[in-house]
Amino acid sequence: GAVVSQHPSWVICKSGTSVKIECRSLDFQATTMFWYRQFPKQSLMLMATSNEGSKATYEQGVEKDKFLINHASLTLSTLTVTSAHPEDSSFYICSAQTGTRGDTQYFGPGTRLTVL
Amino acid sequence: EDQVTQSPEALRLQEGESSSLNCSYTVSGLRGLFWYRQDPGKGPEFLFTLYSAGEEKEKERLKATLTKKESFLHITAPKPEDSATYLCAVRGDSSYKLIFGSGTRLLVRP
Repeated sequence: GAVVSQHPSWVICKSGTSVKIECRSLDFQATTMFWYRQFPKQSLMLMATSNEGSKATYEQGVEKDKFLINHASLTLSTLTVTSAHPEDSSFYICSAQTGTRGDTQYFGPGTRLTVL
Repeated sequence: EDQVTQSPEALRLQEGESSSLNCSYTVSGLRGLFWYRQDPGKGPEFLFTLYSAGEEKEKERLKATLTKKESFLHITAPKPEDSATYLCAVRGDSSYKLIFGSGTRLLVRP
C-alpha cells in the first residue's frame, strides 16, 4: 500500500520550453502533496506544499511563477517548470501524505529533468 | 529550531557484519520520526515511522529504535542489497515540514 507514481521518470527539453511532471497517489487519497528537489549527493530540499483545491505554499527562494503547482484532486498533483533553463536541471521528487497520525510521507520514484 | 544530524556520513561493512546508524534530533514536540532508504536515482522508500520514546519497529534485517534525543537504525547481518543511503527525518508540532538529516551512505561488501 501507499504507492506514489511520477511521470515521466526522465525528460530532456530545450531551454525556454515548459515541462510538466505528474505525481499520483495510486492506492490512497493524499490530503497534502509535497515537491522536492535533490542535487547530487545532497539531501532533499522542499520546494512547495500543496493541498487539494488550494494554492500551493512555496518555500523561501522558490519562484512560484517558474514552478507552477496544481493539486487538482486528492490523487494528482502536477509541477510545471516554465521557461526551463539549464540551471533547472535536477532530480524532482514528489511525496504524498495521508493525514493519519504522524503524517508519514510516501515518495514517488522521482523525475530526472535535463535542460539543454 | 528543529534539527537532524545523522552519523556516520558513510559506512562500509562486510556482508554479515552488523552495525547501527545514528540519528540525533532536536524538535519542539515530536510528531513523528521517519526512516527512509534511498537508492541512487530513485525516490526515498519508506521504512519506519516512530512516534514516542521507547518505541521499536522491525522489518527483515532492520530495526529502528527511538529515545527522546536520538534514533538508531540497527542492521543485522547485512547483505549487499542493503547498500543504499539511509535518511532520517522528523516532524515537530510547529511545522508541517519534514526536517531531513544529510543521510548515511551504507556500502555492504560481499
